[in-house]
Amino acid sequence: AQTVTQSQPEMSVQEAETVTLSCTYDTSESDYYLFWYKQPPSRQMILVIRQEAYKQQNATENRFSVNFQKAAKSFSLKISDSQLGDAAMYFCAYRSAMDSSYKLIFGSGTRLLVRP
Amino acid sequence: SAVISQKPSRDICQRGTSLTIQCQVDSQVTMMFWYRQQPGQSLTLIATANQGSEATYESGFVIDKFPISRPNLTFSTLTVSNMSPEDSSIYLCSVAQVGAGGEAFFGQGTRLTVV
Repeated sequence: AQTVTQSQPEMSVQEAETVTLSCTYDTSESDYYLFWYKQPPSRQMILVIRQEAYKQQNATENRFSVNFQKAAKSFSLKISDSQLGDAAMYFCAYRSAMDSSYKLIFGSGTRLLVRP
Repeated sequence: SAVISQKPSRDICQRGTSLTIQCQVDSQVTMMFWYRQQPGQSLTLIATANQGSEATYESGFVIDKFPISRPNLTFSTLTVSNMSPEDSSIYLCSVAQVGAGGEAFFGQGTRLTVV
């Protein structure tokens, strides 16, 4: 069974600085998707970025980028120029591309605090 | 992306009662899911809501406790039955479109407190 691990329960960053959130996963599959979701206090889960395992190029969305290391099964999220609105819980998630379930497996989450 | 409306947004219920949560999507979607997020925890999948047939439940979740309906491609309900304080959680509806990249989108969640 696949698992997703986020080893940082909480991280803190100064506004305008850069922070990296870690995520590792375990799978025997070769084709899958990885996601980072943001959950602010409003509870709404917001998709931040996605990565397809067969693509070597790291995904980027504005200030958000990932470092995808397939061999190491690592998928970290880098937030540049941090803003107060980035404060939230961040969840790493895995989805198999080899079955039709479309189920997501989530990590335990990292709470990001942004200091003004 | 789909716009998902979930009702109610929060509720406080007496133990032993049941609550039905509704999830309405603004477009037809292939996949609909229900997740539970216990206080301070991550999301755990309860079941996949299948249109016109019984939902597919994950290990640890049963139909008698969490009956789910999905009468069409835009609507689903989750009922939390015979509630106890341990059912106090956030319940989230999620949708995904087969073949459209695989992203899942979420409703705003229902915060349930059982007293």
